[in-house]
Amino acid sequence: SSELTQDPAVSVALGQTVRITCQGDSLRSFFASWYQQKPGQAPLIVIYGKNNRPSGIPDRFSGSTSGNTASLTITGAQAEDEADYYCHSRDSSGNHPVVFGGGTKLTVL
Amino acid sequence: EVQLLQSGAEVKKPGESLRISCKGSGYSFTSFWISWVRQMPGKGLEWMGRIDPIDSYIHYSPSFQGHVTFSADKTISTAYLQWTSLKASDTAIYFCARWRQLEDIWFDPWGQGTLVTV
Repeated sequence: SSELTQDPAVSVALGQTVRITCQGDSLRSFFASWYQQKPGQAPLIVIYGKNNRPSGIPDRFSGSTSGNTASLTITGAQAEDEADYYCHSRDSSGNHPVVFGGGTKLTVL
Repeated sequence: EVQLLQSGAEVKKPGESLRISCKGSGYSFTSFWISWVRQMPGKGLEWMGRIDPIDSYIHYSPSFQGHVTFSADKTISTAYLQWTSLKASDTAIYFCARWRQLEDIWFDPWGQGTLVTV
């Protein structure tokens, strides 16, 4: 399958920990990368590869994978973390080089 | 600073043609592929394809093959996305992004996006 499935919406209380998940067959072979998109802005890479954070991304963001599920964990969510989050990986089906998940809207309460 | 700067918003009528641009700076433009990504109003991200600026080798996503054309001018570090006959369903924000690849693939950075309204 060339699909990545995300929950449409997740909420978290300020300062608490939240996990955003992404499921797909390709994740058994490849790691997910994660993008944060705030309203009116371009996506921003927050995690790539096994668990790599680009310069400038706070260390409260981390990534992990188990089986066919990748997770983006925000430990101690801040108000500024409220955004849409998209997972992305290589596609193991051969139809496309890459595939995006449908996105998760994170609300920080 | 590595940047991708896209051309401004466009308003077009159905059937018109359009070319939008994405100019890279702060890095060797010919060393990285450029991808185009569509975001329709209120929707998620869709990968449209990629172009290698050094030789203009192109890979289109099957969903976009035949509907758009990619090109690049390495002498001015600019990639282009073009339509010959726009449709109302082409209304979207279009992002360019630099393709990064080791064992996995990711996009960094992204252009600011170009809103196309048909």
